[in-house]
Amino acid sequence: EAGVAQSPRYKIIEKRQSVAFWCNPISGHATLYWYQQILGQGPKLLIQFQNNGVVDDSQLPKDRFSAERLKGVDSTLKIQPAKLEDSAVYLCASSLKRGPGELFFGEGSRLTVL
Amino acid sequence: QQQVKQSPQSLIVQKGGISIINCAYENTAFDYFPWYQQFPGKGPALLIAIRPDVSEKKEGRFTISFNKSAKQFSLHIMDSQPGDSATYFCAATGRGSTLGRLYFGRGTQLTVWP
Repeated sequence: EAGVAQSPRYKIIEKRQSVAFWCNPISGHATLYWYQQILGQGPKLLIQFQNNGVVDDSQLPKDRFSAERLKGVDSTLKIQPAKLEDSAVYLCASSLKRGPGELFFGEGSRLTVL
Repeated sequence: QQQVKQSPQSLIVQKGGISIINCAYENTAFDYFPWYQQFPGKGPALLIAIRPDVSEKKEGRFTISFNKSAKQFSLHIMDSQPGDSATYFCAATGRGSTLGRLYFGRGTQLTVWP
């Protein structure tokens, strides 16, 4: 079974530039998550989708971050404009359903903002 | 505010020894407590999880001990091996509006010396 795919793996940009990350979840997984992992910290949820609808985006900095999940499969996370403090690994995860249960994480996209 | 507090930040154990990582939480609405293992350059992967209706769960060399009254839980790794060297995250989630949102601890970097 293929895992969660993410791209790009690495991205270096200058502050105020924009960047987009792509995620393809495990086939059949209804719930998709984007987590931000800053170096030395645990992952923090940015946004959660159930199929193609947003169910939790309370921790997403909406002035600069946006995300969509068209057709309830792939998802894209965008940052515009980027700040230095956005340097982190952006992890995409998916699960069969919303609620307690195993999350399957991708390898992440490491963003460095200079 | 850190919803889940984890200690120690780093741990060095001799091969064959016991590794113990502790976590504490405040939110009594949490009802699912997983541990995730993360290797460098990889996403976290579920190791073991427990619900508060049991005080202990064991899977192979990994055991979760849960103390509901103290709002604490811990991971014990018996017969620690060099291959166990990784970062371990405790996490918690509950019901309501935050259904599906995992709150992670800050992580414990475990090093097992051969």
